[in-house]
Amino acid sequence: KNEVEQSPQNLTAQEGEFITINCSYSVGISALHWLQQHPGGGIVSLFMLSSGKKKHGRLIATINIQEKHSSLHITASHPRDSAVYICAVRSDFGNEKLTFGTGTRLTIIP
Amino acid sequence: DTAVSQTPKYLVTQMGNDKSIKCEQNLGHDTMYWYKQDSKKFLKIMFSYNNKELIINETVPNRFSPKSPDKAHLNLHINSLELGDSAVYFCASSQVDFSGQGYTIYFGEGSWLTVV
Repeated sequence: KNEVEQSPQNLTAQEGEFITINCSYSVGISALHWLQQHPGGGIVSLFMLSSGKKKHGRLIATINIQEKHSSLHITASHPRDSAVYICAVRSDFGNEKLTFGTGTRLTIIP
Repeated sequence: DTAVSQTPKYLVTQMGNDKSIKCEQNLGHDTMYWYKQDSKKFLKIMFSYNNKELIINETVPNRFSPKSPDKAHLNLHINSLELGDSAVYFCASSQVDFSGQGYTIYFGEGSWLTVV
């Protein structure tokens, strides 16, 4: 079992829908990242969380440290949001290691 | 200006060859990484360097050798390439947030390696 699990693996939605992607992890962490990978392959860091909630535009990320769970929400989804969203956790052992989830492929249909 | 740049973007080579992928960051970050993304799109860390010193080496075959001539560069050299080395290799750099809240990380565009 992977230390970082994401759900769903694939998600197709209509433009305008509210999107939720979930991430659960089984190890102690110091921080969690949400990354976005577009079809061209480049990876962009969307959020880095160690507690609570962060918002950037239409994107909201939350984390519950006690439950070892994080969610990424997209409001008013748009076709340009179509991408793979990857959850990654940074270990609490003092090194810089990131462990990645398997990603959620999101497709927004116009 | 690209923050993390890696070259080449695409590389097709025969089994048994030796090849290098170069990475440079202009962000002044202390830490650089190489990640491998396999055919199932799963990312996994290979190496991490902090100020030219190796700090993470994740059970990568000895055929893979990272070289960091300075903290802005981390190159990846692969000897005796095998079919299973075909993947996308991502370079990244990060800087610790000294407030203790974690760090920011920036990825290169990826290098698509195909071994035939």
